[in-house]
Amino acid sequence: QVQLVESGGGLVKPGGSLRLSCAASGFTFSDYYMSWIRQAPGKGLEWVSYISSSGSTIYYADSVKGRFTISRDNAKNSLYLQMNSLRAEDTAVYYCARLEQWPYWYFDLWGRGTLVTVSS
Amino acid sequence: DIVMTQTPLSSPVTLGQPASISCRSSQSLVHSDGNTYLSWLQQRPGQPPRLLIYKISNRFSGVPDRFSGSGAGTDFTLKISRVEAEDVGVYYCTQATQFPWTFGQGTKVEIK
Repeated sequence: QVQLVESGGGLVKPGGSLRLSCAASGFTFSDYYMSWIRQAPGKGLEWVSYISSSGSTIYYADSVKGRFTISRDNAKNSLYLQMNSLRAEDTAVYYCARLEQWPYWYFDLWGRGTLVTVSS
Repeated sequence: DIVMTQTPLSSPVTLGQPASISCRSSQSLVHSDGNTYLSWLQQRPGQPPRLLIYKISNRFSGVPDRFSGSGAGTDFTLKISRVEAEDVGVYYCTQATQFPWTFGQGTKVEIK
């Protein structure tokens, strides 16, 4: 079954850290670019980060640059998001999404998300 | 950053009637490679987003043909020819022409 399953969310204090994981199955993970996208409670979607299939190309939104690190382990079919110096405004459901790359550039598969709550 | 502005933000529709959502970008979405990376997503209540349309007008696999996309440059439209109960949810346009990739605020489609 083709799917993405996120894990690692939870409650963390401001300034704390959390590592999210996304387990891919049913497709050749190493062929695909991947992305993290978040959605604050009751709000819209915000793109967070992108990583190429080999991990050699990475981009971040300005709102997380310097605090979040995206990575992947193709041998484990897994995507990660290391989140440091967390702020209340990072509270959101974090989705991992598969990217169909050039010449398409669309998110064609999404996980169900994992909730991160930053609160004291 | 490219700002994506959707109108309306809410669209009450009668079952079987059409619905239309507009998405306007703050700058042209035509990439230097000649492609326009504008997609539409649907998010049903309690669900993750789902791809409907990519590159302005291409329906993704399994998407009913009552959904269609059009537009060019900075102005884009998603149309639902005849709204069904399963179409209730929030619709987002998104651009992947320039980093950071950005989304519209979302348009909530509900049944009158």
